Amino acid sequence: AQSVSQHNHHVILSEAASLELGCNYSYGGTVNLFWYVQYPGQHLQLLLKYFSGDPLVKGIKGFEAEFIKSKFSFNLRKPSVQWSDTAEYFCAVNARSGTYKYIFGTGTRLKVLA
Amino acid sequence: DADVTQTPRNRITKTGKRIMLECSQTKGHDRMYWYRQDPGLGLRLIYYSFDVKDINKGEISDGYSVSRQAQAKFSLSLESAIPNQTALYFCATSDLGSYGEQFFGPGTRLTVL
Repeated sequence: AQSVSQHNHHVILSEAASLELGCNYSYGGTVNLFWYVQYPGQHLQLLLKYFSGDPLVKGIKGFEAEFIKSKFSFNLRKPSVQWSDTAEYFCAVNARSGTYKYIFGTGTRLKVLA
Repeated sequence: DADVTQTPRNRITKTGKRIMLECSQTKGHDRMYWYRQDPGLGLRLIYYSFDVKDINKGEISDGYSVSRQAQAKFSLSLESAIPNQTALYFCATSDLGSYGEQFFGPGTRLTVL
């Protein structure tokens, strides 16, 4: 069955530290990939997305993610985090064909210490 | 982003009661979804609708039902609420042409006592 794994459930960083959140998916077909962010008390918002082309995608607020097809991964990165990046981050995968599938990972809670 | 609205925002109810959560959108999207969010489990899809005449079960539809009253309205019902349905519920929309990007409402926090 299709699944999305986020191995880091809780991450604590100091401001200016670099961030990398892992996301792996299991699906053999073509996929669209997403990272969503949920700030405390707010709804989910799109951070970035990958459909095709350059596997390195850039999103809002300095975030980027790299799609590595051979590893079925779509890791999120940011060179220098800020206190305002404290949030929960969700990876999501949408299968492009066949039965509708839009699967979210379990999320990673990031806390950035000022 | 007020394009997707949900009512109520918070609700406390008792076991066995019937509850309806409503979602409205002004984005003009055909596709609408209901998710529940539980700590450590992420978002799980309850039901989805690709147009007014199309309703599909998601991965956790048991105990829930939905109604797509119009393109802009998609409601979720709990016919007989139980405590393990206590969760944060999100409505979302997407457009066929957006390759699956979803736009979320603010959520409804439901507590079943």
